Amino acid sequence: DVKVTQSSRYLVKRTGEKVFLECVQDMDHENMFWYRQDPGLGLRLIYFSYDVKMKEKGDIPEGYSVSREKKERFSLILESASTNQTSMYLCASRREGKETQYFGPGTRLLVL
Amino acid sequence: GENVEQHPSTLSVQEGDSAVIKCTYSDSASNYFPWYKQELGKRPQLIIDIRSNVGEKKDQRIAVTLNKTAKHFSLHITETQPEDSAVYFCAASAPRGNEKLTFGTGTRLTIIP
Repeated sequence: DVKVTQSSRYLVKRTGEKVFLECVQDMDHENMFWYRQDPGLGLRLIYFSYDVKMKEKGDIPEGYSVSREKKERFSLILESASTNQTSMYLCASRREGKETQYFGPGTRLLVL
Repeated sequence: GENVEQHPSTLSVQEGDSAVIKCTYSDSASNYFPWYKQELGKRPQLIIDIRSNVGEKKDQRIAVTLNKTAKHFSLHITETQPEDSAVYFCAASAPRGNEKLTFGTGTRLTIIP
C-alpha cells in the first residue's frame, strides 16, 4: 500500500518567515507533486518533480521553491511567507509511466 | 494549457437517489480523466478513471462517461448512501511527457438521510 506522509498536519507561521513543508513517500515513486487547495479553486499545481534533482514549475509557482535531493522526499519552501499563502498544501506521488497519483494527508498552513 | 470546469459546486441529493457531476475540458489532446473523492479531513483518493479510447466505465455504483467530441465527462453515482458525502474532483491530463493533472474546482456532495 502506498504511503505518502507530510511533516505537519497544522502549521502556524508569521509573515516573512521561511517555511519548509516536507513530503515523504515509501513506494520508490519517481514523480512527486505539490498542490495547494483553496475553497472554490480546487487543487492547483505549484511544482512537480519527475526525478531526483529535477523540478518543473506548475501553474502557480510564484513565491515557492522546491527541493528533491532524495527520491523519497520532496520539499516545498516558502522563502518569505505571506498571508495569501495561507492554505491547505497537498503532496502527491506517482510511479513513472502510471497515471494514479497518491496523496498525502495535507498540511494546513496559517500565515499570520 | 488545459482548463477544466466542474459543475455544480454543491449538490444535495436524497439518500437512494442518483447524483451526477459534470466536467468540461479545453485541451483536445487530453486522454486521461480521473475522479478523486475527498472525505472531510482526509486526503483525496482515486475512485474511478477513464481513458479516451472508451466512452463509459462502471464500478459498482459509480460510473464515468466521456464525450470526446463535446469535451466533457461526467461522474454518476447511483443509489447514493451517506458515505458518498464528500468533495469530488475531476481532472484531465494530456500525453505530453511528465503528464500533469489539471483539476476541476470540486463538487461538495451531501447525501440527505
